[in-house]
Amino acid sequence: QSVLTQPPSVSGAAGQRVTISCTGGSSNIGAGFDVHWYQQLAGTAPKLLIYANNNRPSGVPDRISGSKSGTSASLAITGLQAEDEADYYCQSYDTSLNGVIFGGGTKLTVL
Amino acid sequence: QVQLQESGPGLVKPSETLSLTCTVPGDPISSHYWSWIRQPPGREPEWIGYIYYSGSTNYSPSLKSRVTISLDTSKNQFSLRLKSMTAADTAVYYCARSIFLRFDYWGQGILVTVSS
Repeated sequence: QSVLTQPPSVSGAAGQRVTISCTGGSSNIGAGFDVHWYQQLAGTAPKLLIYANNNRPSGVPDRISGSKSGTSASLAITGLQAEDEADYYCQSYDTSLNGVIFGGGTKLTVL
Repeated sequence: QVQLQESGPGLVKPSETLSLTCTVPGDPISSHYWSWIRQPPGREPEWIGYIYYSGSTNYSPSLKSRVTISLDTSKNQFSLRLKSMTAADTAVYYCARSIFLRFDYWGQGILVTVSS
């Protein structure tokens, strides 16, 4: 079981908004460590989507955003498109485990 | 755009040692941190460890006893050795560039199956 908890799946119709939560604890997100988000299309490597809680790398559209509060973080995608259908992972660092940690992943389905 | 490419065997026998290499053309390896990450089929990624260009390393506590990551600056490569492989080590292995504990560029990955 992952230290960072994500919903296994979310779905939304094209054009709608969805959010994906990532819940941690006092030794990771709550300790002030940044949260990063990755998108993994089927059969490909993960791609950095959001870094340091709410920053987009070059090329990531502004309809994708991230936020962090307390021991949790969220990824929001507005104007859903078919190309957004993928697995999404949050990632942070844990002082108790002394290492990088990933969430269990959320499968986004665009209806 | 930074490109990374993993190479190595796709099949390893139980109890053997896995050796993988990551080549980074076009980006000097003598900067940044460089990581190995693996992803078992249908599971989330798992961080294995990283190496800094100075040679200092940090490994996942759960794999520390079996892992070695090394650097070859003359070839602009870094490598992973994982001893005593079992079926539980079957996964896609990725190399990635690390910055501030995140992974901004990934290789395409190599599937490693542990089977006799």
